[in-house]
Amino acid sequence: KQEVTQIPAALSVPEGENLVLNCSFTDSAIYNLQWFRQDPGKGLTSLLLIQSSQREQTSGRLNASLDKSSGRSTLYIAASQPGDSATYLCAPRNSGNTPLVFGKGTRLSVIA
Amino acid sequence: DTGVSQDPRHKITKRGQNVTFRCDPISEHNRLYWYRQTLGQGPEFLTYFQNEAQLEKSRLLSDRFSAERPKGSFSTLEIQRTEQGDSAMYLCASSIWGLQETQYFGPGTRLLVL
Repeated sequence: KQEVTQIPAALSVPEGENLVLNCSFTDSAIYNLQWFRQDPGKGLTSLLLIQSSQREQTSGRLNASLDKSSGRSTLYIAASQPGDSATYLCAPRNSGNTPLVFGKGTRLSVIA
Repeated sequence: DTGVSQDPRHKITKRGQNVTFRCDPISEHNRLYWYRQTLGQGPEFLTYFQNEAQLEKSRLLSDRFSAERPKGSFSTLEIQRTEQGDSAMYLCASSIWGLQETQYFGPGTRLLVL
């Protein structure tokens, strides 16, 4: 059974810092992995989807990397802004016919 | 196209009552997923549909829960005889089945069972 761990659970940084959020998963035979952000009391917004054959994916100030063999993904946020404050969730998927499995997320606060 | 919508956004009910939630996916998305999220946790999978066929149900989906997607468009999730432990955010997501199957989530329905 896939299990996902996200470290740290919470992070507070001053505006402008570059930061890394970590995600590890126990079953490395994944199909893809999606990163989401969730604002308090809201639904999830998809940030990046990285295929199992890819090593990284970029969107604006966000870069997600994937190391399947070690069961890890990282989300790099460059030049953080207060608007980046949210909970970030990673969710690997083991096949096209299995659901996403989520970690508990990393709660990020960017202080102006 | 306005994204995935869910109705109602909030529901307060008394223990033992039945509740029904609705999800309207992005048009032409053939897959629809239901997840449940409690405070401080990530979403947990409940069930999903491809078109009108329910392809998988989690063990979390007890016999008090039923989901339908009768015409392969919107879906409903019904909880019968609600319990306090059912209090959670119920999230719906949709996608187009295929290689880049990004799931797009709705705003969720927050349920409080008193």
